[in-house]
Amino acid sequence: ILNVEQSPQSLHVQEGDSTNFTCSFPSSNFYALHWYRWETAKSPEALFVMTLNGDEKKKGRISATLNTKEGYSYLYIKGSQPEDSATYLCAPEVSAGKSTFGDGTTLTVKP
Amino acid sequence: KAGVTQTPRYLIKTRGQQVTLSCSPISGHRSVSWYQQTPGQGLQFLFEYFSETQRNKGNFPGRFSGRQFSNSRSEMNVSTLELGDSALYLCASSLVVDSPLHFGNGTRLTVT
Repeated sequence: ILNVEQSPQSLHVQEGDSTNFTCSFPSSNFYALHWYRWETAKSPEALFVMTLNGDEKKKGRISATLNTKEGYSYLYIKGSQPEDSATYLCAPEVSAGKSTFGDGTTLTVKP
Repeated sequence: KAGVTQTPRYLIKTRGQQVTLSCSPISGHRSVSWYQQTPGQGLQFLFEYFSETQRNKGNFPGRFSGRQFSNSRSEMNVSTLELGDSALYLCASSLVVDSPLHFGNGTRLTVT
């Protein structure tokens, strides 16, 4: 069983602050590392799929990096906005069709 | 393109009963997986079906079972319900390995 840890558990920032969270995993033996955003009253939505060591992905103000050798992935949000408030989940796809989720980082952005 | 559809959205059952949840994946997606979220817990993997075969299974008791039909629609069944089965059950479909999961809105099950 792959133990996926995300930190911090929660984060409160002011609008305009930049922030980052960590996803760590003991093994790099997976097909891909997925990041999802889960807003209240909605279903999780895919942000990034990362497959190679050194991968960097970007979507607007949000970006992510993957380091499979050290066993971590970072998610960065530049200039946080209230609409970024959500729980961010990382999930290594440990076998074809099976993703193991971390408990997530809950971000609250205050106007 | 229609998203993943789960029915019903809400369900209330009593202990000892059984329940069946349904999931229709995005057209063309052959992989369907199920997750459970209980209060204070992250998403726990139940099982995954691909082309009508269970390809992956999580660490849940045998009371939890599922199946997938030839049109990729999937059902999940929980027998002999316990209070601890109260949870949000999410279904997700995906196209291929290392492609993202597309989640449905979930079924909120309450066991009394």
